[in-house]
Amino acid sequence: GAGVSQSPSNKVTEKGKDVELRCDPISGHTALYWYRQSLGQGLEFLIYFQGNSAPDKSGLPSDRFSAERTGGSVSTLTIQRTQQEDSAVYLCASRPTSGRASGANVLTFGAGSRLTVL
Amino acid sequence: SQQGEEDPQALSIQEGENATMNCSYKTSINNLQWYRQNSGRGLVHLILIRSNEREKHSGRLRVTLDTSKKSSSLLITASRAADTASYFCATYSGSYIPTFGRGTSLIVHP
Repeated sequence: GAGVSQSPSNKVTEKGKDVELRCDPISGHTALYWYRQSLGQGLEFLIYFQGNSAPDKSGLPSDRFSAERTGGSVSTLTIQRTQQEDSAVYLCASRPTSGRASGANVLTFGAGSRLTVL
Repeated sequence: SQQGEEDPQALSIQEGENATMNCSYKTSINNLQWYRQNSGRGLVHLILIRSNEREKHSGRLRVTLDTSKKSSSLLITASRAADTASYFCATYSGSYIPTFGRGTSLIVHP
């Protein structure tokens, strides 16, 4: 697609429920990132996928968080047993890793999924 | 912990004035990038400066980098109301995972 697409744009859930957030990166972008942005805060790195390599999960805050990337394209971030402190905007970004544009490591972001846990 | 920290946290100016925001970082970097985030949207890349560059221009944007002080500044000249947004610096330091600061919130009054 033309840009990074995220869904849902808004999600309200009850504490303890599981949620899935989806990211559809730019076609051909092999690198994909998830970040979390709490109100008035910067971006907190969560997880990084690069091609078929094992993902870098070093930013996941707890074992309630997991992510997968199927077929090297679409990624799903899953939060189990949601807590109120999980409320945030979850941003996905992708970038190319080959070709002229790859050297700059410039990320293209989606509009984010705003999660509210009641 | 944040690698880059923007300063000031908030900036309010009148249309036509210049806006300057700064970014300080802690470890050596390969490059530094500035992004803009409009309310409720994702981040959009503005400009990149490499570690061996000292200054770069793009339209009304001017970025400087001082690696000895581990700092960068973003200058927006002749600001417009449409420049109202949050501005973030992002640094790469040896890995493919950029680290973002907390951002500067810029309000430009028409």
